[in-house]
This record gives sequence, structure tokens and C-alpha cells, in this order.
Amino acid sequence: RKEVEQDPGPFNVPEGATVAFNCTYSNSASQSFFWYRQDCRKEPKLLMSVYSSGNEDGRFTAQLNRASQYISLLIRDSKLSDSATYLCVVNRANTGKLIFGQGTTLQVKP
Amino acid sequence: NAGVTQTPKFQVLKTGQSMTLQCAQDMNHEYMSWYRQDPGMGLRLIHYSVGAGITDQGEVPNGYNVSRSTTEDFPLRLLSAAPSQTSVYFCASSYLPGQSLGSPLHFGNGTRLTVT
Repeated sequence: RKEVEQDPGPFNVPEGATVAFNCTYSNSASQSFFWYRQDCRKEPKLLMSVYSSGNEDGRFTAQLNRASQYISLLIRDSKLSDSATYLCVVNRANTGKLIFGQGTTLQVKP
Repeated sequence: NAGVTQTPKFQVLKTGQSMTLQCAQDMNHEYMSWYRQDPGMGLRLIHYSVGAGITDQGEVPNGYNVSRSTTEDFPLRLLSAAPSQTSVYFCASSYLPGQSLGSPLHFGNGTRLTVT
């Protein structure tokens, strides 16, 4: 089993739709969680950190469920510019390792 | 403030050649790391460092060496390139993971390496 798993998609949604991605992690002691966005052939960029109580940044909401060991990203009112690959990142506990999921590809259609 | 600077952006090597990918950051980050990204595989950690003089292996370290003589620099060496090392390589840095809530990685622009 991979340490961090994501459904690669692609998720094809119309503009204005709400879409959610999940990411599961296997190490229950993992400490830090992030969502990154990567556009084609570019470097990943931080979208948002994921806090224990959940957090929101505009149209984006991130949640952490420690009991079930997953994090989620909800995008409301999807825009064409949201089309990208979304990467889940988990800090392996007690190490310096930040482990990436495979990424979930989102395509927002007009 | 340049952030994370990676060079070169593109490189073609022949099998058996050696080369060094350079990475420098000016944010005084303790943590630096190298990832490779292949289609369908996501980003995989090659090596990382939590400070000058300290390095450790990631998920896919074979065929790569690193050193961290200064806080700013973290070069990645391919001693004898193989076609399986054809990939996009990213250097990234941050404050120490786990020490503060959210220590996001700052990435370089990537190096596209082809080994023939």
C-alpha cells in the first residue's frame, strides 16, 4: 500500500460545479498535511495547509480526518483556471520526509 | 529574493555520463530535498537534508548522491547516468517539517533530464 494515495482521476466537471478530492495516508502519526497545485510541466505550488479543525480559503476548503486517516479538498464554483493536478502531501512522522500522493487531475469544462 | 534556484533547466546526457544538478535557496531554510517526477508516478523523494552536514535517503535514492556543505546549497549528483533516470527533477526547501504548523515546500523550476 502506498504511504499517500490519491485517485488520479481525471475529474471532468462543468464550470460552477463543486468537486471534492480525498487523499488517504497510512502513517497514523503523520503531523503535517498540505494540498499543492501543479500546472502542466510546472513546479508544484502550495495551495493550502490543512489544519486539524479544517480551514477555508475562498472557494477552497480543506478537512483532516485523523480517525480515518484522510484529508480532503473541496472546490466550490469551479473555474476554468482551476484545471490542474492537485497533490496531497504528508509529513512522515518523526522524519524529515514530505511524501507526495500521485496527484488528482481536474479538468473544468465550459 | 530569488527563492529556490535550480540549474540547468534542461539537460541531455548519454548513458554512463555524470553530472550535477545545482540547487540553491536564499530563505535560510533548514530543510532541502530532491524529488523526481515521472508520468503516473507523482513526485518521489530522492534525498533530503535537515541541515548542513546532514543528509538522508528518500524513497528512490539509488544512483544519486547528495551533500549539504552549506545551508544554501544542495547539489544532486548522478555518477553514471542511466535511461531510467530520465525524468523531471525538482529541488525544494522549507523550514523543518513538523516544527511549525505548515512548513510548505518552496520548489525550484525543475530540471528536465533526458538520458539516451
